[in-house]
Amino acid sequence: GAGVSQTPSNKVTEKGKYVELRCDPISGHTALYWYRQSLGQGPEFLIYFQGTGAADDSGLPNDRFFAVRPEGSVSTLKIQRTERGDSAVYLCASSLSPGNEQYFGPGTRLTVT
Amino acid sequence: AQSVTQLDSQVPVFEEAPVELRCNYSSSVSVYLFWYVQYPNQGLQLLLKYLSGSTLVKGINGFEAEFNKSQTSFHLRKPSVHISDTAEYFCAAYNAGGTSYGKLTFGQGTILTVHP
Repeated sequence: GAGVSQTPSNKVTEKGKYVELRCDPISGHTALYWYRQSLGQGPEFLIYFQGTGAADDSGLPNDRFFAVRPEGSVSTLKIQRTERGDSAVYLCASSLSPGNEQYFGPGTRLTVT
Repeated sequence: AQSVTQLDSQVPVFEEAPVELRCNYSSSVSVYLFWYVQYPNQGLQLLLKYLSGSTLVKGINGFEAEFNKSQTSFHLRKPSVHISDTAEYFCAAYNAGGTSYGKLTFGQGTILTVHP
């Protein structure tokens, strides 16, 4: 079956612009996670959804970052007023239920110039 | 808070040699432990996981790891590596129970380079 997909695969934007990153989880997976991987680092947790609600957003770095999952499937990570420090690979993962094995997408590489 | 430390940032090794990638975690409560592999320009792929039971866990591609509670370690091993094992490897953990909901904490990664 289809795995986790993320679009776009690459995004280049200018400082100060708004961006949206999309994640399409595996069908039937109720839990969805966003992570950020900076160069030379391991992924860092951003936010977790169970169904439509954000169950834990403790990893979001500031209020410029926001994520939604309105129908309990596709999720969008939104970043306002992008800064060069936001440049990273944004990874999405889904699991059948919380605590089960997480399946990762290929990531979106965001570059802020 | 949970933390994961991978003790080597880079490990060079010759083909067919054994390899060990080291990982230590910090939590004093029950943890679930994972090793992921990331090939260039690809997503993370699960190699193996420890949830409970036998402390020796076997994964894909001939890898195995041993959970050592007293040393809070979960080192990854392979007796004979191939060129195709060249990749970055991540150790990850989350606290069983509580409210972590499977929120993974990752180590910094170890780049394994296999030379012919």
